[in-house]
Amino acid sequence: DAGVTQSPTHLIKTRGQHVTLRCSPISGHKSVSWYQQVLGQGPQFIFQYYEKEERGRGNFPDRFSARQFPNYSSELNVNALLLGDSALYLCASSLFGPWGDTEAFFGQGTRLTVV
Amino acid sequence: GQNIDQPTEMTATEGAIVQINCTYQTSGFNGLFWYQQHAGEAPTFLSYNVLDGLEEKGRFSSFLSRSKGYSYLLLKELQMKDSASYLCAGERTNDYKLSFGAGTTVTVRA
Repeated sequence: DAGVTQSPTHLIKTRGQHVTLRCSPISGHKSVSWYQQVLGQGPQFIFQYYEKEERGRGNFPDRFSARQFPNYSSELNVNALLLGDSALYLCASSLFGPWGDTEAFFGQGTRLTVV
Repeated sequence: GQNIDQPTEMTATEGAIVQINCTYQTSGFNGLFWYQQHAGEAPTFLSYNVLDGLEEKGRFSSFLSRSKGYSYLLLKELQMKDSASYLCAGERTNDYKLSFGAGTTVTVRA
């Protein structure tokens, strides 16, 4: 069985550009969450989607947006990139929605570097 | 606030025992997770405690005291492959999202 898959694995962008990161959850999982992990810190919650609806949003600016598709895959979009957006972006899928994340499975992440 | 605090680094010898402590504000969280993250890789689930007490899983054990806002991860019979970052994460009461600590980097030496 495939785990959580993310693409691309690495990405280099210039300040001011836009980026789209993609995530495919484990088959059968309907909830996808996005986290930002800056080097040396723990992951910070960005968004959660369940059944194609946003169920939670962390403390991130409106430049960050996401959506979930009918097949439960998800995209994270970041506009007007800043140097501080450089981080590992992790996608996690779980079986349940916002009513109990007893175990979230993480993808390998997308390493975004903004220059 | 929902701060989760854990030590930055710990070093131990192969075969030894290491205990990683995690403290958090009691009003903000339900259960506590522990994840292992090797450099450049995704976090992988180790344990989840929602009730007080000790949960044992092979060489790894996790403890929770809800009233004290305290958890620890115990790694026994350390192996070189246990060198990694260990993340403590609280399951938020209001929305069940995960709030992570900064992680504890454990280095196992021969």
